[in-house]
Amino acid sequence: DVKVTQSSRYLVKRTGEKVFLECVQDMDHENMFWYRQDPGLGLRLIYFSYDVKMKEKGDIPEGYSVSREKKERFSLILESASTNQTSMYLCASMSRGYEKLFFGSGTQLSVL
Amino acid sequence: GDSVTQMEGPVTLSEEAFLTINCTYTATGYPSLFWYVQYPGEGLQLLLKATKADDKGSNKGFEATYRKETTSFHLEKGSVQVSDSAVYFCALSDLNFGNEKLTFGTGTRLTIIP
Repeated sequence: DVKVTQSSRYLVKRTGEKVFLECVQDMDHENMFWYRQDPGLGLRLIYFSYDVKMKEKGDIPEGYSVSREKKERFSLILESASTNQTSMYLCASMSRGYEKLFFGSGTQLSVL
Repeated sequence: GDSVTQMEGPVTLSEEAFLTINCTYTATGYPSLFWYVQYPGEGLQLLLKATKADDKGSNKGFEATYRKETTSFHLEKGSVQVSDSAVYFCALSDLNFGNEKLTFGTGTRLTIIP
């Protein structure tokens, strides 16, 4: 089975801190995605990547950046965390052309 | 741009009741359509999909038919169980530079009472 692993299940940070959320997949998928999940808003795409060192902005990229130095790892970076970035963050991966996303269990981030 | 609209929840049903969760979409091309399910404490997982008009996706007793004329992909199950309690997301695929990305609806929380 495909496994998408997110480094932390719960994270508490202070306003202004730099935050790194890590995601690793073990099935050699080309495509990786970061979503945030908020009540009443569903899943919103932050950034995605179709290959190593490539990145594309999603629907809500402001305040975030990403890094994909290796195929299996896709990191989401909050340069200066703010309280409105308190959310559940979901990482996902997909094999190109296969149209099926595999999700991690999520990281619940609280910014105080 | 492409978008997905789902019926608002939460939805509460008794065990063995009939379930319908409505989903409609707006898309410029011919997307594939999906239902994903999120059980408590877990990430989302694919429940079923349909890739073209009039296709029916099915899995675990759930069904949804791709209706191009009404731009809908409603999820149905004839007899729900307590174990079906979860959040259900409708989604569509969008080809972006030859690669897919998915756009999701807001999710519908379903609770089944014994």
